[in-house]
Amino acid sequence: DTGVSQNPRHKITKRGQNVTFRCDPISEHNRLYWYRQTLGQGPEFLTYFQNEAQLEKSRLLSDRFSAERPKGSFSTLEIQRTEQGDSAMYLCASSLGRNSNQPQHFGDGTRLSIL
Amino acid sequence: AQSVTQLDSQVPVFEEAPVELRCNYSSSVSVYLFWYVQYPNQGLQLLLKYLSGSTLVKGINGFEAEFNKSQTSFHLRKPSVHISDTAEYFCAVRTRSNTGNQFYFGTGTSLTVIP
Repeated sequence: DTGVSQNPRHKITKRGQNVTFRCDPISEHNRLYWYRQTLGQGPEFLTYFQNEAQLEKSRLLSDRFSAERPKGSFSTLEIQRTEQGDSAMYLCASSLGRNSNQPQHFGDGTRLSIL
Repeated sequence: AQSVTQLDSQVPVFEEAPVELRCNYSSSVSVYLFWYVQYPNQGLQLLLKYLSGSTLVKGINGFEAEFNKSQTSFHLRKPSVHISDTAEYFCAVRTRSNTGNQFYFGTGTSLTVIP
């Protein structure tokens, strides 16, 4: 079963450092999403790609955050100059098709801890 | 704007008892509705979805949900829970348009099944 894969599963880093996460979506899925989930909350939308184009970005996505999907396959999410408040689970999801009725398939997430 | 409310943050229930997890949404446009389950340290798994048609939707693991347009609700039910149902449950909505790509999630309901 080649579901959505995220790496690393856990990342611990000092405040001020840069981190990068990777997401490999289900191979035929053209849509890819990043969410952030903090303790006791539901996932919050960060950004969305259709193929290689980044079509939506949330206000939550500050200038320190950048996401790419250069070839329309895997995606990376980079956080520069990390802050304590960046500690969260970062979830990636993918879906297929042009219609918004398609469910999103989620990876197991990357848990980021800022010391 | 869309929003999702899950009023019950924690629901304890005895094994083999029935359970209902409540979800209410607000939206100025028509929406698709979803329930996801999240086990510890994992991503979200789709339980069921309402797109159109019959308002009673059946999903995996014996769960079902009923869409009530007049009450803007989409409550999740199971007639007899198992220990393995202990998890976090999230209700989510998406708008019925190709521009509404993101999910809006509730804050989640933690279901604990007591032996």
